[in-house]
Amino acid sequence: NAGVMQNPRHLVRRRGQEARLRCSPMKGHSHVYWYRQLPEEGLKFMVYLQKENIIDESGMPKERFSAEFPKEGPSILRIQQVVRGDSAAYFCASSRSGTGVANEQFFGPGTRLTVL
Amino acid sequence: LAKTTQPISMDSYEGQEVNITCSHNNIATNDYITWYQQFPSQGPRFIIQGYKTKVTNEVASLFIPADRKSSTLSLPRVSLSDTAVYYCLVGERGSGNTGKLIFGQGTTLQVKP
Repeated sequence: NAGVMQNPRHLVRRRGQEARLRCSPMKGHSHVYWYRQLPEEGLKFMVYLQKENIIDESGMPKERFSAEFPKEGPSILRIQQVVRGDSAAYFCASSRSGTGVANEQFFGPGTRLTVL
Repeated sequence: LAKTTQPISMDSYEGQEVNITCSHNNIATNDYITWYQQFPSQGPRFIIQGYKTKVTNEVASLFIPADRKSSTLSLPRVSLSDTAVYYCLVGERGSGNTGKLIFGQGTTLQVKP
């Protein structure tokens, strides 16, 4: 049973380019969460999605960032016009349920974004 | 969600028992206490979760006093591979929880030979 998969593992972009980060949840999981971790800091929640729906985007920056989780395919975190401050590790987690006893989140290995 | 406070760092030696205490004075009735472990360049990994008294699994034990205002993660006989950052989180497991986890700075445990 494969765990949460993220790709690419490392992504380098120049300022102004777009970054697309992909996350495939564990089999049987329909809830996806994105977190960002800056160097020497803890993870910060960004967005919580179910299939085709954004449930909670309270941690998403107001501009340039968007997320989707289509009916088919992986969840995508998209960052437009990247700036150096976007350099961070982006982690995706998935869970079977959003609430209740089955909501343990399993994390992927992360995508390390470097903006030059 | 309740705020947690834990030591920034701890040192230990191989074979010792390590106890990491987390304070959560404002914990709510519906909140559970969960610990995650994160190795460098990896995502966090669930270790243990509890509500009160004591919980034990193959990896660790979690001690929660009656007032639930703190909790202690106990790692028996640590090895070098236990060097990692340990996060204490509190939050609801039941309805009303949007699912997001709130991570603090965590405790960096350094195990020495």
